[in-house]
Amino acid sequence: GAVVSQHPSRVICKSGTSVKIECRSLDFQATTMFWYRQFPKQSLMLMATSNEGSKATYEQGVEKDKFLINHASLTLSTLTVTSAHPEDSSFYICSASEPGQISTDTQYFGPGTRLTVL
Amino acid sequence: GIQVEQSPPDLILQEGANSTLRCNFSDSVNNLQWFHQNPWGQLINLFYIPSGTKQNGRLSATTVATERYSLLYISSSQTTDSGVYFCAVATTDSWGKLQFGAGTQVVVTP
Repeated sequence: GAVVSQHPSRVICKSGTSVKIECRSLDFQATTMFWYRQFPKQSLMLMATSNEGSKATYEQGVEKDKFLINHASLTLSTLTVTSAHPEDSSFYICSASEPGQISTDTQYFGPGTRLTVL
Repeated sequence: GIQVEQSPPDLILQEGANSTLRCNFSDSVNNLQWFHQNPWGQLINLFYIPSGTKQNGRLSATTVATERYSLLYISSSQTTDSGVYFCAVATTDSWGKLQFGAGTQVVVTP
């Protein structure tokens, strides 16, 4: 199956700093990637859809100026948490689908990035 | 938006037992996936099954799209089956955005 990687796997930062998380599709090209957030003991919540070569679309309640998404190539999307605060501490997961009809394709998930803001 | 309900929320099994997990959804879907989240957080694809029946080893899944539910069967459970099982769906007009259920926490004891 398709492989999606994320880097870093874990990051600890001070309040007020910015953190960049990378999501890569290793063996396929992905025009669309998705970013999710998961708080402890909870399910995954979609944050935004990352589209290669265009602006990301954000779910209701997600601040686009706080969570900057850049999908600069067909294999890389980045999520930057700007001016991070302790309430941003969470598990961030990306997913990608192989080319085709996005609505009906299997999505493959990265291993996640655990962010802790002190 | 579409609602996804999973049951039971928690399940404790003895090794070797069989179990059934259920996923109900409130609208027609064109994408339904089952995942296993391991203790390290990695989501493992189990099945892509918007309709029909599939089997993979000790796991099988059935989706009855007309009745808006899906079932995941675990047979002869092993301790490595422990973790959280998620059902996620997408509708025609959601452009691939998956809506996740709350998950079923499974613990398999030796």
